[in-house]
Amino acid sequence: DAGVTQSPTHLIKTRGQQVTLRCSPKSGHDTVSWYQQALGQGPQFIFQYYEEEERQRGNFPDRFSGHQFPNYSSELNVNALLLGDSALYLCASSHSRMGNFNQPQHFGDGTRLSIL
Amino acid sequence: QKEVEQNSGPLSVPEGAIASLNCTYSDRGSQSFFWYRQYSGKSPELIMSIYSNGDKEDGRFTAQLNKASQYVSLLIRDSQPSDSATYLCAADYMEYGNKLVFGAGTILRVKS
Repeated sequence: DAGVTQSPTHLIKTRGQQVTLRCSPKSGHDTVSWYQQALGQGPQFIFQYYEEEERQRGNFPDRFSGHQFPNYSSELNVNALLLGDSALYLCASSHSRMGNFNQPQHFGDGTRLSIL
Repeated sequence: QKEVEQNSGPLSVPEGAIASLNCTYSDRGSQSFFWYRQYSGKSPELIMSIYSNGDKEDGRFTAQLNKASQYVSLLIRDSQPSDSATYLCAADYMEYGNKLVFGAGTILRVKS
């Protein structure tokens, strides 16, 4: 049973460039969430996709956008990269919510993005 | 007040002891709570989820939830050096559309 897979594992970009990160959810999961984790901090929620639509969004600028495909896989796009975008980007998948309760999210290994 | 607060540590315990990790949250509407373990350079790994007041046990781990006090804890019994990691607490936030909010994590060091 494959877990959450992310690609690439590492990426180096320069300021102003654009980047696309990819995620395949765990088998049976239909919801994908993206997080940014800076060194020494907890993951910060970027957005969540369910049924190919953005269901929730965190406090991130419009430079951060995403997409979910019919097979539940997802992409995170970041435009006009800034030095401060350097971080570990984590994808997490889960089953959809059951009533008022969030289902446990399972994380991929992440993409470490460095901006020069 | 931070949304989810954890003592950054490090918390040092001897091998075989009980490690107690604590977390408070500010949204009284939070319904879902999770503990994750994160080794250095790795991604978070789910340890426990808890949704109702009281204790929930899974092997050497026990999660405790007190919604009246807005307090979540994780106990690790018979701590092992392999338990040395950062432990992240997360809670969902009703006012933010039920998004998951993480604390900054507590560093645990188990000394042999």
